[in-house]
Amino acid sequence: NAGVTQTPKFRILKIGQSMTLQCAQDMNHNYMYWYRQDPGMGLKLIYYSVGAGITDKGEVPNGYNVSRSTTEDFPLRLELAAPSQTSVYFCASSYSRRGRWDNQPQHFGDGTRLSIL
Amino acid sequence: QQPVQSPQAVILREGEDAVINCSSSKALYSVHWYRQKHGEAPVFLMILLKGGEQKGHDKISASFNEKKQQSSLYLTASQLSYSGTYFCGTGGTSNTGKLIFGQGTTLQVKP
Repeated sequence: NAGVTQTPKFRILKIGQSMTLQCAQDMNHNYMYWYRQDPGMGLKLIYYSVGAGITDKGEVPNGYNVSRSTTEDFPLRLELAAPSQTSVYFCASSYSRRGRWDNQPQHFGDGTRLSIL
Repeated sequence: QQPVQSPQAVILREGEDAVINCSSSKALYSVHWYRQKHGEAPVFLMILLKGGEQKGHDKISASFNEKKQQSSLYLTASQLSYSGTYFCGTGGTSNTGKLIFGQGTTLQVKP
């Protein structure tokens, strides 16, 4: 099982460029999440999705966009890259059971290390 | 609102015990614990739910005090492999889908 797969693993962008961080899971999980982690800090939720076609903002959504057209994929889009978006980005997924989203563990991908210069 | 973890860092010798605390100013429905080694993704350790349900790790235990809005992670007879940064994630009202993580506690176990 691949689990949660993120691509690319590393990327350097110039200020103002755009890019899409890819995330795919093969566990048939309905919930998917995007976090960013700045050096020495905790995880901040950017966006999350409870199923195909449904997304919602997390703690730090500004500067990002998401879409979820399939259960498996949850791409994160940076439209105008800024130095403040230099971070490690983690995608995660989980399965909601019996109407609760928080009684199942989140499975994380290996992350995308993004530098904006 | 972000939960607060304490201590920020702890250094242990192999075989010693440690307790990591996680406190929230808001009512909690669930607490997740994850461990992250340097340069790697967070890995699930434990979930504690309001009402006492608990899922987790064989060698690590945890408590959840709903009234005090606190959780504690107990690491007993620590091993070198326990080194890493521990994060608690708290779930507030049940339907938001948002897990808010603390700032982390760095644990270093020395031989």
